[in-house]
Amino acid sequence: QVQLQQWGAGLLKPSETLSLTCAVYGGSFSGYYWSWIRQPPGKGLEWIGEINHSGSTNYNPSLKSRVTISGDTSKNQFSLKLSSVTAADTAVYYCARASMVRGVDVWGKGTTVTVSS
Amino acid sequence: QSVLTQPPSASGTPGQRVTISCSGSSSNIGGNTVNWYQQLPGTAPKLLIYSNNQRPSGVPDRFSVSKSGTSASLAISGLQSEDEADYYCAAWDDSLNGLYVFGTGTKVTVL
Repeated sequence: QVQLQQWGAGLLKPSETLSLTCAVYGGSFSGYYWSWIRQPPGKGLEWIGEINHSGSTNYNPSLKSRVTISGDTSKNQFSLKLSSVTAADTAVYYCARASMVRGVDVWGKGTTVTVSS
Repeated sequence: QSVLTQPPSASGTPGQRVTISCSGSSSNIGGNTVNWYQQLPGTAPKLLIYSNNQRPSGVPDRFSVSKSGTSASLAISGLQSEDEADYYCAAWDDSLNGLYVFGTGTKVTVL
């Protein structure tokens, strides 16, 4: 059973860079898209982007200029960096596994990130 | 920003059937399979149905889906109190470089 464990800073000031990491346990890193998704308080889900095992990335156009997703296959980990954060980036951030067949099918527990001066 | 449109709320009494709609376009629902998620308060979403009508292990067959053109719907039969949650549809979108798009979400209340 694949499990995702995520961690990172939960409180940021405006203009700082959000940084989260997700570790994959109990499953293969190859053959999937490793994704980040966020959910602002009381709102819906927003797909941020993904990376596959070969390092190819795909980002939501609305965030592309500020997002970097990277991966470390030797550690079965992938990371999210979101630069120049504002209060609008306050959300629960989830790491997740996705495939073309099942979509996003495994989720991390989520990390609450608050941006406040 | 959500590309798929759902009603904000739906409700029913225990035992009733509740249906949630999800409207998209030819680049997402119209050309790809639809997945559905259940999110209980304070928890991560859980995959409920994938590839239009496949249920992961453990998901009861009270949950079923249908799809027609650029729309899909989720039906919950025999509504139970534990079904009270937020439900999201989702699909890959070909027009946005393979972006994964979610619905706006529907809060299901068991009266």
